[in-house]
Amino acid sequence: GAVVSQHPSWVICKSGTSVKIECRSLDFQATTMFWYRQFPKQSLMLMATSNEGSKATYEQGVEKDKFLINHASLTLSTLTVTSAHPEDSSFYICSAPSPWGGEQYFGPGTRLTVT
Amino acid sequence: DAKTTQPTSMDCAEGRAANLPCNHSTISGNEYVYWYRQIHSQGPQYIIHGLKNNETNEMASLIITEDRKSSTLILPHATLRDTAVYYCIVRDRGNSGYALNFGKGTSLLVTP
Repeated sequence: GAVVSQHPSWVICKSGTSVKIECRSLDFQATTMFWYRQFPKQSLMLMATSNEGSKATYEQGVEKDKFLINHASLTLSTLTVTSAHPEDSSFYICSAPSPWGGEQYFGPGTRLTVT
Repeated sequence: DAKTTQPTSMDCAEGRAANLPCNHSTISGNEYVYWYRQIHSQGPQYIIHGLKNNETNEMASLIITEDRKSSTLILPHATLRDTAVYYCIVRDRGNSGYALNFGKGTSLLVTP
């Protein structure tokens, strides 16, 4: 089946620094990718939609200047958490719609810890 | 997308069938039922989907009632690795370009 990868799988950074997370579709092209955030014992919450060739769209309450999204190519989207704070510590997951059907493929997630 | 209701948690003995119910009474005619699961600290995984006929693949079976207001995901021989949160999501297949709306799902615990 189709594969979506994320890098890194986990990262620890200091407060005030920036962290970039990559999401790649390995065997298909994705003009759209989605970024979710998941806090402990909670469900996935959509943060933003990454669109190749245009600006990302953000969900209400998500700061677009803090969470920078760049859909660099048809197989790569990046999420940069700028000036990270401890409250940004979370599990970040990306997904891409299947080009063959209605399902979506998810990356394995990136665990971000801000100290 | 139509709203779904799932039990918060369920237990199942290893080797037995796990039957996970989902209610979607407001489903419309062109909406499919999708099931995903999320094993702890991993990304969600697609399991199966269906419109109105029962479906089976290598992972599970999906039984949809005739009125389509509810469905059951069946893991025929649950293993410890099936312990996960299972999400039932109803959506129009034409909306595949949109993000999924995850509810709380059912936390399935498979015990030895």
